[in-house]
Amino acid sequence: KNEVEQSPQNLTAQEGEFITINCSYSVGISALHWLQQHPGGGIVSLFMLSSGKKKHGRLIATINIQEKHSSLHITASHPRDSAVYICAVRSPYSGGGADGLTFGKGTHLIIQP
Amino acid sequence: EPEVTQTPSHQVTQMGQEVILRCVPISNHLYFYWYRQILGQKVEFLVSFYNNEISEKSEIFDDQFSVERPDGSNFTLKIRSTKLEDSAMYFCASRASFISFSPLHFGNGTRLTVT
Repeated sequence: KNEVEQSPQNLTAQEGEFITINCSYSVGISALHWLQQHPGGGIVSLFMLSSGKKKHGRLIATINIQEKHSSLHITASHPRDSAVYICAVRSPYSGGGADGLTFGKGTHLIIQP
Repeated sequence: EPEVTQTPSHQVTQMGQEVILRCVPISNHLYFYWYRQILGQKVEFLVSFYNNEISEKSEIFDDQFSVERPDGSNFTLKIRSTKLEDSAMYFCASRASFISFSPLHFGNGTRLTVT
């Protein structure tokens, strides 16, 4: 069963700071998702990646398959970025089935103005 | 942009009652999922569904749970006899295809409270 660990669990930063959230997993994967969950509970998919790097606006996601590690970066952070950021992996050994996902516990990010 | 819709947003039920949570996936999607998140805990996979049958299910998805795609648009999760521990946020998700880079789209969730 894949174990997904995220760090830090909680992060408070000032507006404008560069943010990094880390995710590591124990078993090889076919894809890794970064998700954003707002206080109301809804989940939005930010990125899905299986190699390299992706960028969308101020968000950048990277993955190192050999090291079983991924990072989510936020540049020029803003209070509206405050949310829970969740890493989830897809693999046949994830415990989520071949196409279900195994989730990390999430990183609670607060950006103060 | 097309989205996954879930109804109701909040459901309160008494222990032992049956509940049906409804989802309308994105119209051209073929793979459907239910996840749940107990308050304060991580999201957990329940079941995946393709071609009108369950393709995978987790240990959580016991005989009390069932899924159905009754009419080609709705995708439902039924809990036959709810327990207090079924209280959670239930998320529906859908995907166009099985290939790894097909993105997953989530609904906003149904918060189920069992009293």
